[in-house]
Amino acid sequence: LAKTTQPISMDSYEGQEVNITCSHNNIATNDYITWYQQFPSQGPRFIIQGYKTKVTNEVASLFIPADRKSSTLSLPRVSLSDTAVYYCLVGPQGSTLGRLYFGRGTQLTVWP
Amino acid sequence: GAGVSQSPRYKVAKRGQDVALRCDPISGHVSLFWYQQALGQGPEFLTYFQNEAQLDKSGLPSDRFFAERPEGSVSTLKIQRTQQEDSAVYLCASSLSRGDNEQFFGPGTRLTVL
Repeated sequence: LAKTTQPISMDSYEGQEVNITCSHNNIATNDYITWYQQFPSQGPRFIIQGYKTKVTNEVASLFIPADRKSSTLSLPRVSLSDTAVYYCLVGPQGSTLGRLYFGRGTQLTVWP
Repeated sequence: GAGVSQSPRYKVAKRGQDVALRCDPISGHVSLFWYQQALGQGPEFLTYFQNEAQLDKSGLPSDRFFAERPEGSVSTLKIQRTQQEDSAVYLCASSLSRGDNEQFFGPGTRLTVL
């Protein structure tokens, strides 16, 4: 499985755009990139998933360069409620295993 | 709509006691997962069910851990003779189909073993 590396923590202020980059140098051809968000005392929540180029939904955008060795989760105009841990996961979709592999994630703290 | 629910939300056990943690997945979800999350760490996989079949239990840390899903819906994670190192949050997740990377997590059960 592809190992992921992301910053342990990031700080931002309300209203700013936040970009969290994840490195996955040995990503496999059939791997997808998935991001989860976790608030304190809650389970993780799926945010976005992509395979290549750019994916956007109502919560975030995911940018994936052509070589797919990294990806960037972009959160537009963050608010205090975006303070959470963000996990980058890499793995095949539709695999027979189904399990998700989480690292330590990135603790994002948004300040007023 | 109803999400994944877990009970109890908090459990304190004395070392050596047995505990049972319950998970109610989203109705109709075929796949059910259990994860263990230690403080400051990401969730780690324990076991996986597809309907009532336990297809992967490679993440269970010892034979004191046992999980079941007899009717393909509700699941129970049982830990026998609890130890202090079992203290963690136990998360249950379900997904519509096998291999779906979008899993829906419950709030977890925080287990503290004294």
